[in-house]
Amino acid sequence: DAGVTQSPTHLIKTRGQQVTLRCSPKSGHDTVSWYQQALGQGPQFIFQYYEEEERQRGNFPDRFSGHQFPNYSSELNVNALLLGDSALYLCASSPGTGTIMNTEAFFGQGTRLTVV
Amino acid sequence: AQKVTQAQTEISVVEKEDVTLDCVYETRDTTYYLFWYKQPPSGELVFLIRRNSFDEQNEISGRYSWNFQKSTSSFNFTITASQVVDSAVYFCALSEAESGAGSYQLTFGKGTKLSVIP
Repeated sequence: DAGVTQSPTHLIKTRGQQVTLRCSPKSGHDTVSWYQQALGQGPQFIFQYYEEEERQRGNFPDRFSGHQFPNYSSELNVNALLLGDSALYLCASSPGTGTIMNTEAFFGQGTRLTVV
Repeated sequence: AQKVTQAQTEISVVEKEDVTLDCVYETRDTTYYLFWYKQPPSGELVFLIRRNSFDEQNEISGRYSWNFQKSTSSFNFTITASQVVDSAVYFCALSEAESGAGSYQLTFGKGTKLSVIP
């Protein structure tokens, strides 16, 4: 049973460009959350998708957007990249029947984004 | 607002020593969940434990144990007889249940980097 898979694993982009990161949830999970982890910091919640809708959003600007597909996979898009967007982007999946505290979130290995 | 503090940035221990990682949290909710995750160098966050706010019983799982004290808002994690494979960054996290803004997300501390020296 494959866990949460993310692609690509590493990415280098130039300031001002746009980037798309992808996530496939664990089998049987229909909820996907995205987190940003800056170097030396804990992950910070970006947003969560459930039933193809953004269910909750953290304190991130509109440059960060997402999408969830009918097969529950998800994309994170970041426009107008800034140097400060350099981070590890983690995707987590969980069953959507309840809120996060009823389940454990399974995390992928992340995408390391470097903005130069 | 919810907050998680892990005051220990880095800890080094010699193999077979016991080590305790501290976690202090802040929340206005009476119903909430606390988590510990392990992050090895590969980057993936590995779930270790989830504890709800109504269950203050300590838990032991092999060499791991957790001490939850609501009176001090702490949820500490102890590794007994540490091993080199325990070297990783450990995160404590909180999820609130009552306030809508917090119930779908995990709020993480900054993590504690544990190095176990052979």
